[in-house]
Amino acid sequence: EPEVTQTPSHQVTQMGQEVILRCVPISNHLYFYWYRQILGQKVEFLVSFYNNEISEKSEIFDDQFSVERPDGSNFTLKIRSTKLEDSAMYFCASSGNRLNQPQHFGDGTRLSIL
Amino acid sequence: AQSVTQLDSQVPVFEEAPVELRCNYSSSVSVYLFWYVQYPNQGLQLLLKYLSGSTLVESINGFEAEFNKSQTSFHLRKPSVHISDTAEYFCAVLNAGGTSYGKLTFGQGTILTVHP
Repeated sequence: EPEVTQTPSHQVTQMGQEVILRCVPISNHLYFYWYRQILGQKVEFLVSFYNNEISEKSEIFDDQFSVERPDGSNFTLKIRSTKLEDSAMYFCASSGNRLNQPQHFGDGTRLSIL
Repeated sequence: AQSVTQLDSQVPVFEEAPVELRCNYSSSVSVYLFWYVQYPNQGLQLLLKYLSGSTLVESINGFEAEFNKSQTSFHLRKPSVHISDTAEYFCAVLNAGGTSYGKLTFGQGTILTVHP
């Protein structure tokens, strides 16, 4: 069965540094998402992306965050200047050609900010 | 705005016993409902979904959930659990009205631990 893959599985970064989290969505999916889960808290929506633009973003997704689909297969989340509170598990997800189709998640990237 | 409440943060149960994981939601519009499961060190896997039609939905591994609109609930049940069902379970809702572009709202998760 096709999978969403995320790299790296664990990223350790100094505060203030830029970090890029990478995702390869399922190949025929059209909708892409990023979520995060701070330890002990709920999974929170960050952003949705369709047709090469952001469809919706949460309050968390401020100017420090950006997303990009640089080619036909990758979907990236960039955090420009990381803060301690950005430490979390970040999940990428994708879904097919309709919004009510289930989202398929990757295994996540654990981001640790020192 | 939508919210999801999973009433139990942890549910311990013995193998072969029945289990119910509770989920209630709040929304001013129609929603689609999902249960996801997360095994240790893995991502979220879709367990089952309610989009429309029959309010009772089933998964391939024996779980079922029933959409109750009047009680705004989508509880997950299994009549007989296995050790391998030990995982964290997340209930989630998606706005069916088309004004929210795929944003899933999650509950806080329920850790199911099955003891031998």
